[in-house]
Amino acid sequence: KNEVEQSPQNLTAQEGEFITINCSYSVGISALHWLQQHPGGGIVSLFMLSSGKKKHGRLIATINIQEKHSSLHITASHPRDSAVYICAVMENQGGKLIFGQGTELSVKP
Amino acid sequence: NAGVMQNPRHLVRRRGQEARLRCSPMKGHSHVYWYRQLPEEGLKFMVYLQKENIIDESGMPKERFSAEFPKEGPSILRIQQVVRGDSAAYFCAARTGGGGYTFGSGTRLTVV
Repeated sequence: KNEVEQSPQNLTAQEGEFITINCSYSVGISALHWLQQHPGGGIVSLFMLSSGKKKHGRLIATINIQEKHSSLHITASHPRDSAVYICAVMENQGGKLIFGQGTELSVKP
Repeated sequence: NAGVMQNPRHLVRRRGQEARLRCSPMKGHSHVYWYRQLPEEGLKFMVYLQKENIIDESGMPKERFSAEFPKEGPSILRIQQVVRGDSAAYFCAARTGGGGYTFGSGTRLTVV
């Protein structure tokens, strides 16, 4: 079993829909990151969370430390949100990241 | 990803050649991580370096791979005698204050 599990692996939505991507992890962490990667592109950090909730524009990220679970929400989705979204947890020691397999999101106009 | 510079963006090597991937973090940032993304797979940790020191190389293959981060100049990931299975995207990242991460744009290595 992977230390970081994401669901779903693939997601197709219509423009305007509310989207949720889930992440569960099984190791002790100091923080959790949500990352975005476009095809053939680089990786952009969207959020870093250690507790609670953060919001940036149409993106919202939450984390429940006790349940070892995080969610990324996109409100009013748009085709430009189409990308791979990756959950990554930061180990307590050393700060290296352990990644989920990613969720490939496609938003149709 | 202007903060962390990686070059080259694309690198083609023939089997048996050497590949050198370079990473320059933002000025003043001395914690560098290398990650590898194999085709159709997730990102995996390779090595964590600070200036002149390898802190954690638990993700590095035992042979042909090495990394350094000298006092002056960029961090280098070196792959000797490349094989087709080394074809992947290699990302460098700098850890910033408070645990934040900035990734480079990656080097896409193709071994032919």
